[in-house]
Amino acid sequence: NAGVTQTPKFQVLKTGQSMTLQCAQDMNHNSMYWYRQDPGMGLRLIYYSASEGTTDKGEVPNGYNVSRLNKREFSLRLESAAPSQTSVYFCASSEAYGHEQYFGPGTRLTVT
Amino acid sequence: QKEVEQDPGPLSVPEGAIVSLNCTYSNSAFQYFMWYRQYSRKGPELLMYTYSSGNKEDGRFTAQVDKSSKYISLFIRDSQPSDSATYLCAMKEDSWGKFQFGAGTQVVVTP
Repeated sequence: NAGVTQTPKFQVLKTGQSMTLQCAQDMNHNSMYWYRQDPGMGLRLIYYSASEGTTDKGEVPNGYNVSRLNKREFSLRLESAAPSQTSVYFCASSEAYGHEQYFGPGTRLTVT
Repeated sequence: QKEVEQDPGPLSVPEGAIVSLNCTYSNSAFQYFMWYRQYSRKGPELLMYTYSSGNKEDGRFTAQVDKSSKYISLFIRDSQPSDSATYLCAMKEDSWGKFQFGAGTQVVVTP
C-alpha cells in the first residue's frame, strides 16, 4: 500500500519548457488535489478533482492544466514554465467527504 | 488579508516544555478544523481534526477551537525533539469543501 506517489521528485526546467507532474493513489479515494508550497505562503490549491471526470480551479490555477486520467491518477501540466512556478508541488487525496487529506512526498521544481 | 493567519515562527522550546500554536481566521463559515504536521522535505500528515467549537485531546496533543473569536490552538505537552517540524492549520466550510491552509509555524524542540 504505497499511499500517494508523485513523480518526479526533482526537476529543473528552463523558462518556456513544458512538463507533466504525475500523481497516483491506491486508497480508492474519490477526491484528489494539487497544491504548491512556497515559503511564507503555506499550501495553495492549484486544482482539485472532487471525483473522476471532474476538475475545478483552486486559488492559483493560472499557468497550469490538469487531467484526471482515472480514479487513481491526477496529473498537473505546465505548458510554458516560468520562474514564478519554482515551488514544491504536492498531490493529495481524500475520501469524498473526508477531513483527512493524504499527501505525496512532493516534487521540487526549479525554473531558471 | 489571508483567510487563515498563522505565525511562521520559528518557535524554539526546550525539551519537555509545552508548545502552543494558534491560527486566526476571518471566514465564519469554517466548521471543520485540522492540524497537520510536516517534517522537513516531506508531505504534511494529519495530526488532529475538530468539528465546530470545543476541545479534543489525543495523547500529548490538544486541539481547541473558539469559533466566537475565530481562533484555533494546538498544544503539545512534554515536547520531544521528534516534535520539531512545521505545523499547519487547515479549515473547511463543508464536508465536501476545499481546504484552506495557514502558512505553517516552524517548531524547534531543543534537547
